[in-house]
Amino acid sequence: DQQVKQNSPSLSVQEGRISILNCDYTNSMFDYFLWYKKYPAEGPTFLISISSIKDKNEDGRFTVFLNKSAKHLSLHIVPSQPGDSAVYFCAASEEYGNKLVFGAGTILRVKS
Amino acid sequence: DAGVTQSPTHLIKTRGQHVTLRCSPISGHKSVSWYQQVLGQGPQFIFQYYEKEERGRGNFPDRFSARQFPNYSSELNVNALLLGDSALYLCASSFTSNRDSFGQGTRLTVV
Repeated sequence: DQQVKQNSPSLSVQEGRISILNCDYTNSMFDYFLWYKKYPAEGPTFLISISSIKDKNEDGRFTVFLNKSAKHLSLHIVPSQPGDSAVYFCAASEEYGNKLVFGAGTILRVKS
Repeated sequence: DAGVTQSPTHLIKTRGQHVTLRCSPISGHKSVSWYQQVLGQGPQFIFQYYEKEERGRGNFPDRFSARQFPNYSSELNVNALLLGDSALYLCASSFTSNRDSFGQGTRLTVV
């Protein structure tokens, strides 16, 4: 029972262009959403988050959009840089501070 | 500041053995969570401890147990290891928020 789904296993983008990573969820009780980035041989690193009371949150080159009615969120990276190449995980929780439910991840490759 | 540290980084065990994985949270962090990441999948929640009390438990068999010590460090124990327990085990700590900080993980291989 996958409550958080990242349907694109991989994405390849040219340096300088926009990267859009998508995530869908099924649990309507989720009210907090996060994106993590993971490099090989390292643990996931927090990137950006959004609560269900918002529909957009921005941090530098990273913007997360939340569409609650569609149970969909996306991460936009503009402009994409080669150092952004990593696995990106979408995660959600029912309550602030509670366990995180992760998607399977999307491998992003930014080509220079 | 030191991040979340986990030990060991790698280990190989035989089926049926027992394993103990250790985690030291970031100083000041009182919540520790454990996740299992199987190849090709996202991390899956195993346990959460806060102030030495179990706060949450994922869908894992009783062979998995954990505890948190007075200094907020934590151990994850797995008994009667199965081949399917081979995975990256991640420890995460947080102060009060969901922004868990993860360690680099322990890569467990069961043969």
